[in-house]
Amino acid sequence: AQSVAQPEDQVNVAEGNPLTVKCTYSVSGNPYLFWYVQYPNRGLQFLLKYITGDNLVKGSYGFEAEFNKSQTSFHLKKPSALVSDSALYFCAVRDEAAGNKLTFGGGTRVLVKP
Amino acid sequence: KAGVTQTPRYLIKTRGQQVTLSCSPISGHRSVSWYQQTPGQGLQFLFEYFSETQRNKGNFPGRFSGRQFSNSRSEMNVSTLELGDSALYLCASSLVTGGLSDTQYFGPGTRLTVL
Repeated sequence: AQSVAQPEDQVNVAEGNPLTVKCTYSVSGNPYLFWYVQYPNRGLQFLLKYITGDNLVKGSYGFEAEFNKSQTSFHLKKPSALVSDSALYFCAVRDEAAGNKLTFGGGTRVLVKP
Repeated sequence: KAGVTQTPRYLIKTRGQQVTLSCSPISGHRSVSWYQQTPGQGLQFLFEYFSETQRNKGNFPGRFSGRQFSNSRSEMNVSTLELGDSALYLCASSLVTGGLSDTQYFGPGTRLTVL
């Protein structure tokens, strides 16, 4: 069965500093990995995805993620965080065995302080 | 292009009642998936519909059901509501190009409160 772990419930970072949100996964086949962000009282907003190819994936709003197969990780990064990046971030995985179903991590709350 | 829309946005029901939630996917999207979000259990997959057929189902009791119409709009029904059904119900649509690389785009959700 596929699973996702986000080891940090909350990440605090100062505005302008680099932001990293960690994600590790477990799947039986090739992973398809996604990052979403959720603002209060809103649905999930797609940021980026890894399917195959280059291990560094660039997404929306200056976010990028690095796929590491040996460490089964897919950490989300942003070189310079903004106060407006404060939100709840979810990592998700999909593989052939589970079909179109997305399995989500527990979420990481990011707080960017001015 | 309009995003995924869900109605209603908020619902308050009492135990034992039933409820129907509606989801309109992005134009041209043929797959609709439903998820339940709660503080304790996080985001959990309910089911997925494609071409009016349930293609995948999560581990929820039979009280949770859904359907999809020929225009790809989907409804989700919960019968005999329990307090634990209080949650944000999210609908997501995807284009279905044939692979697992399809991105699911989410609606704003329906906040269901069961009293």
